[in-house]
Amino acid sequence: TQLLEQSPQFLSIQEGENLTVYCNSSSVFSSLQWYRQEPGEGPVLLVTVVTGGEVKKLKRLTFQFGDARKDSSLHITAAQPGDTGLYLCAGEDETSYDKVIFGPGTSLSVIP
Amino acid sequence: GAGVSQSPSNKVTEKGKDVELRCDPISGHTALYWYRQRLGQGLEFLIYFQGNSAPDKSGLPSDRFSAERTGESVSTLTIQRTQQEDSAVYLCASSDTEGGAEVTEAFFGQGTRLTVV
Repeated sequence: TQLLEQSPQFLSIQEGENLTVYCNSSSVFSSLQWYRQEPGEGPVLLVTVVTGGEVKKLKRLTFQFGDARKDSSLHITAAQPGDTGLYLCAGEDETSYDKVIFGPGTSLSVIP
Repeated sequence: GAGVSQSPSNKVTEKGKDVELRCDPISGHTALYWYRQRLGQGLEFLIYFQGNSAPDKSGLPSDRFSAERTGESVSTLTIQRTQQEDSAVYLCASSDTEGGAEVTEAFFGQGTRLTVV
């Protein structure tokens, strides 16, 4: 079974600061996704990265897929209180029926 | 419907009772997932359906948990003889798996918050 790890587990920062969260695995994923979950809601897809070394930008969010496709990072510039939520990375476990598995998440709190 | 629908949204039950949670996926989505999320935690995989078959049930925590899917549509997750540790949000997701290198988007319902007292 493939596993995804995320760090840090919790992050509390002031509005306007920059931050990076990480998603790591010991095995290769053909693609990885990032989701954000707000309290009381289900996760919502932010981005899918497919190619090793790929960088995607979504406004103030920058996503990178590692060259070896075993890791990914999410960088947020000038964080806003609206960025508060649980950030989850996900990928298909190719060793187990291609089911979608999730990392444990990074809980981000942006303080005004 | 337009999205994944779960019912009930909240369920309070007494320890030892059975509960049934329902998921209506997006029409035409072949893949359906159940996850459990405890307060402040990530998503714990429970079971995965492709069509009406469940190739991976490895996440079900005990034999008190079971799930079925019919008509390649609605799924129910049943928890028998509920225990307090079953208290959590149960999330359902569906996706339109088409294969290929890029994993397809999973669309989530809002979850069922289960409280066992």
